[in-house]
Amino acid sequence: EAGVAQSPRYKIIEKRQSVAFWCNPISGHATLYWYQQILGQGPKLLIQFQNNGVVDDSQLPKDRFSAERLKGVDSTLKIQPAKLEDSAVYLCASSLDRVPYPYFGPGTRLTVL
Amino acid sequence: GENVEQHPSTLSVQEGDSAVIKCTYSDSASNYFPWYKQELGKRPQLIIDIRSNVGEKKDQRIAVTLNKTAKHFSLHITETQPEDSAVYFCAASRRRSSGDKLTFGTGTRLAVRP
Repeated sequence: EAGVAQSPRYKIIEKRQSVAFWCNPISGHATLYWYQQILGQGPKLLIQFQNNGVVDDSQLPKDRFSAERLKGVDSTLKIQPAKLEDSAVYLCASSLDRVPYPYFGPGTRLTVL
Repeated sequence: GENVEQHPSTLSVQEGDSAVIKCTYSDSASNYFPWYKQELGKRPQLIIDIRSNVGEKKDQRIAVTLNKTAKHFSLHITETQPEDSAVYFCAASRRRSSGDKLTFGTGTRLAVRP
């Protein structure tokens, strides 16, 4: 079984620039998550999709972050404009419907200079 | 919302000794408690979990215990080996009509000295 795929793996940008991350979940997984993991901290949920609908985006900084999941499969997370404090690893994860533990992708390490 | 606290933040043990990591949670409605292991530069991976209707669960050298009354749960690793060195995260989840929400602790960096 293929795992969660993410790209790019690394990204370096300057503050105020824009960046987008892509995620392809495990086939058949209805739930997709985007987490932000700042160095030395646990993953923090940014947004959770159930199929193509948002079920939780309470911790998403909506003035600069946006995410979509078209057709209930792939998802993109965008940051516009980026700030220094956005430097982190962005983890995409997915799970089967009604299964509480997500499988994580390899993450995208974002550095904002 | 849920708040999960994890202690200690760092732990160093001699190979062969035991390691214990403790977590507390705030939401009494939480009913599922997974533990993840994250090796340096890699993704978090589920290593064991426990549900609220069970007090203890064991899988080879790893065990988890849950005290619902006190709202705390622990990870126990026996006969530690160098490959156990990693960051361990506890998490708590509760079922909602909109889907399960998982809240992670801050992590424990475990170092096993050969």
